[in-house]
Order: sequence, then C-alpha cells, then structure tokens
Amino acid sequence: GENVEQHPSTLSVQEGDSAVIKCTYSDSASNYFPWYKQELGKGPQLIIDIRSNVGEKKDQRIAVTLNKTAKHFSLHITETQPEDSAVYFCAARIIQGAQKLVFGQGTRLTINP
Amino acid sequence: EAGVAQSPRYKIIEKRQSVAFWCNPISGHATLYWYQQILGQGPKLLIQFQNNGVVDDSQLPKDRFSAERLKGVDSTLKIQPAKLEDSAVYLCASSPSLAGGQNEQYFGPGTRLTVT
Repeated sequence: GENVEQHPSTLSVQEGDSAVIKCTYSDSASNYFPWYKQELGKGPQLIIDIRSNVGEKKDQRIAVTLNKTAKHFSLHITETQPEDSAVYFCAARIIQGAQKLVFGQGTRLTINP
Repeated sequence: EAGVAQSPRYKIIEKRQSVAFWCNPISGHATLYWYQQILGQGPKLLIQFQNNGVVDDSQLPKDRFSAERLKGVDSTLKIQPAKLEDSAVYLCASSPSLAGGQNEQYFGPGTRLTVT
C-alpha cells in the first residue's frame, strides 16, 4: 500500500531562518498532497496543499514544491516565528479503491528565539 | 462556522473495559473520518463514512472496534474490550466532498484515550 516517509523527525531553527521538511511517497498515482500543522492538544490543521498538476504553491511565508518524477514534495517556511513551533505532517492521497490520505510520521519543528 | 466537535476530550479506562467516543462533524459535510494517532506518529485512518454508509474500514480492528453514523450526521466509535495498545488520540475529521480525500479535511481536537 501507499507509504509516506517524512524527514527530519525533529528540526530546530533560529527565529527568522528558513525551515524545510521533506516527504517521499510510493504510489505514483497519488495526486493530492496536503500539509498539516498540529499544536499541542489540538487536531491537525491544514496549512497548504498541492495537486499533481502544479509544481509549486506559495502562501505568504509557506510554500510547497512537488517533484512527481522523484515522488517527493517539500514544505518551506521562511522568516520563521515562534508561533511556527508545532508538529507538521505531510500526507498523500491514494486513489485505489476508497480515496484516503496516508500521513507521514511528523516533524517536530522548534523555533529558537 | 462551528468546527468538528468531539467528546470526551480525555478518557482513562482499564484494559478489557469498553469506551465510546462521539463526533459531530461540520454541518453539511458528507464525509466523516475516524483516525487513530499513536504518540509520535501520524494519524492512521480507521474508518471513512460517506453520509451514513461505510466507504473504507479496511484498517479498523473489527474484532474490538465498531463505528456507526446513523442518520449521516453524528458518529460514534466504540472499543470493546480495550487493550493497552489502544492508548492513543482518536481524531474525527469531516470533509464536504462525497469523494473523500480530495477536499480539505477538517479535524476535531481529538479524544486522548489512556488504557491502564
């Protein structure tokens, strides 16, 4: 079945620097890739997503890139702020049978002031 | 717009006991999901409903887990009997899409279950 690998598992950056989280997926038919932010004691919240017909999408300080050939996608956060500290999850949608999201293992991002 | 509601927020039970979780999705959302999130891992889909029908329950341990979505709105997830390895956060999510997956999934705050 679909497998999503996410790296790194933990990431610590200085405030104002950039953070990059990378994911790879196994099912070449996957066509939708959301990123979620999860704060302590809360459910995951969608922060950005990308579909397979585009290579890059940006929303203010957050951007996502997709390389379908290599089957990997990345989250880029620029000008990081303390409130960016959280656990981030990537996911890929599989389309065989019932469509569903498969999540990566998560990256704990810490922004140091 | 009200978000996905879940209750209780926390539950502690002993192994072999039973427990039930409740979810109220965003009004009008056709698709409802239950996920299990073990500490340090990403959410894993347990069951997906489209209105009041099951779309996918391939990863639901059916010998002990059950779920229903009567009337296509609220949903309950039950574990009977619970095992130590069931300790996790149980997340409910909903989506406006009938196809599931394509549209944004909105998550509730989750229920943290501890089995002792």
